[in-house]
Amino acid sequence: AQSVTQPDIHITVSEGASLELRCNYSYGATPYLFWYVQSPGQGLQLLLKYFSGDTLVQGIKGFEAEFKRSQSSFNLRKPSVHWSDAAEYFCAVGARSGGYNKLIFGAGTRLAVHP
Amino acid sequence: ETGVTQTPRHLVMGMTNKKSLKCEQHLGHNAMYWYKQSAKKPLELMFVYSLEERVENNSVPSRFSPECPNSSHLFLHLHTLQPEDSALYLCASRASGGPGELFFGEGSRLTVL
Repeated sequence: AQSVTQPDIHITVSEGASLELRCNYSYGATPYLFWYVQSPGQGLQLLLKYFSGDTLVQGIKGFEAEFKRSQSSFNLRKPSVHWSDAAEYFCAVGARSGGYNKLIFGAGTRLAVHP
Repeated sequence: ETGVTQTPRHLVMGMTNKKSLKCEQHLGHNAMYWYKQSAKKPLELMFVYSLEERVENNSVPSRFSPECPNSSHLFLHLHTLQPEDSALYLCASRASGGPGELFFGEGSRLTVL
């Protein structure tokens, strides 16, 4: 069965520091991978996605992620965190079932940013 | 309006009430989804509609009843809910075919007293 694991429930970084959020997936075929961000009281906004091709993908707000098939990972990175990046981050894998697509989400990582 | 719109944003109801959550998408998509987001739990997929046909009902109790009258609108009818049903209910849509991402609304925060 498909699944997504985000090992870190909470992460705290200082503003200006680099960030890496971990994501591991379990999926039998070529995965479609996504990172979403959720600010308090809001819905989920897509940061970036990987379907095929270059394993380093760029997203919005200065985020990037690298797909590593050998490690079944899709870690999210940002070189310099801003206070406005404080939010919850979700990794997801796209799964195809019964002729339609759905996303399976990890439990999320809550990011706090210290000034 | 653009994107995915959910109403109401906040709803408080008693266990004997009947209410509905509404979702409308203006993206021309033809697949729509209901997810439930509870505190300290992963997002749970509840229902999927593709071309207005329900294609997944993820073991959701019958007190939740979805309706998709057309490809732009999705409802979640609620009746005789339990306090543990209090959560953020997120609607999403996507274009069918291919591995495209989901576009989410801002959610309806439901509190069951």
